[in-house]
Amino acid sequence: SAVISQKPSRDICQRGTSLTIQCQVDSQVTMMFWYRQQPGQSLTLIATANQGSEATYESGFVIDKFPISRPNLTFSTLTVSNMSPEDSSIYLCSVEDLRHGGYTFGSGTRLTVV
Amino acid sequence: DAKTTQPPSMDCAEGRAANLPCNHSTISGNEYVYWYRQIHSQGPQYIIHGLKNNETNEMASLIITEDRKSSTLILPHATLRDTAVYYCIVSLFGNEKLTFGTGTRLTIIP
Repeated sequence: SAVISQKPSRDICQRGTSLTIQCQVDSQVTMMFWYRQQPGQSLTLIATANQGSEATYESGFVIDKFPISRPNLTFSTLTVSNMSPEDSSIYLCSVEDLRHGGYTFGSGTRLTVV
Repeated sequence: DAKTTQPPSMDCAEGRAANLPCNHSTISGNEYVYWYRQIHSQGPQYIIHGLKNNETNEMASLIITEDRKSSTLILPHATLRDTAVYYCIVSLFGNEKLTFGTGTRLTIIP
């Protein structure tokens, strides 16, 4: 399976600040997906990131709040901007894994905003 | 993506087979059935997927009904480490976003 390294694994941040989450994959992938999992909830897709083009955001998520970079085929970042306590969640990246046809997920970034 | 319906929770005795049902009555002809699980504090883990034939791998078996409106994930010999939330998802194959429902919280009882 593809191996994803996601950093940081957790962070506690002050409201009004921003945090950038990194996702590194050990193989080249076309698309990378960013999800949010709020406490006690299921996963919700934030956006899909294609290399060389702007990310595609799902309803309810905007680029100003969650800017995404995708500089190459193995790396992406998600920034959570101007954070509030409502942004406290686990953020996960995911890629398609051609080895088994499913998707592999990073271990997640547990964000707490105080 | 088609929606799925799963029971919110199930218990299974350790060593027994765990059978997790999923209804996906609005699945379209080219959508696959995927199963993932999420163990506490970890990212989701891929288990298995199928289109219309039954599938088996080292983790589980997937039984899809002939009309494809429902499926069952079978963990043949459940262990305590199988305690997790199990998600049934229908999706097109390849570089498609996944729409997660609420899943089934499976608890393996010693």
